[in-house]
Amino acid sequence: RKEVEQDPGPFNVPEGATVAFNCTYSNSASQSFFWYRQDCRKEPKLLMSVYSSGNEDGRFTAQLNRASQYISLLIRDSKLSDSATYLCVVKVGFQKLVFGTGTRLLVSP
Amino acid sequence: DTEVTQTPKHLVMGMTNKKSLKCEQHMGHRAMYWYKQKAKKPPELMFVYSYEKLSINESVPSRFSPECPNSSLLNLHLHALQPEDSALYLCASSQIGLRGGKPDYQETQYFGPGTRLLVL
Repeated sequence: RKEVEQDPGPFNVPEGATVAFNCTYSNSASQSFFWYRQDCRKEPKLLMSVYSSGNEDGRFTAQLNRASQYISLLIRDSKLSDSATYLCVVKVGFQKLVFGTGTRLLVSP
Repeated sequence: DTEVTQTPKHLVMGMTNKKSLKCEQHMGHRAMYWYKQKAKKPPELMFVYSYEKLSINESVPSRFSPECPNSSLLNLHLHALQPEDSALYLCASSQIGLRGGKPDYQETQYFGPGTRLLVL
């Protein structure tokens, strides 16, 4: 079983739609969780950290379910500029980040 | 300024060449990382330096040799690479959080733009 699993997509949605991505992780000792965004041929950039209580940043909402070892990202009112690959990332141990394979999102006019 | 810079942006090398990748950050971060990313795959950790000392080596072949000359610089020396080593090489840095005066946690990692390497 992979340490971090995501549906690779692609998710094709129209502008203005709401879309949700899910991610599961296998290491129950993991303490920190993140969503990174990666545009084509660019470096990953932190989108948001994921906290146990859930957190929101504008149109983006992240949720963590430790019991199910499950992380989600919800994007509301999708924009064309949201088209990218969204990487679910789990910190294992003190310094190691493990990346999921990423979910590709395509937002069309 | 949350910038990590990497040079060169692109590199083409033969299997007998020796080359080096460079990474620099001026954010005062004390942890620096090398990742390898193949096409349509996620980044995979190669090495971690903490306080200029190698703290993690993810069983990387010896043809990759990291070096951390000071707290701002990280190099990756390449020698006798194989075509399957062609990939995007990403550098990242992060601050190390202290608790009770001891390193306790790692904060957000910031990535550089990467060096796209082609081995012929």
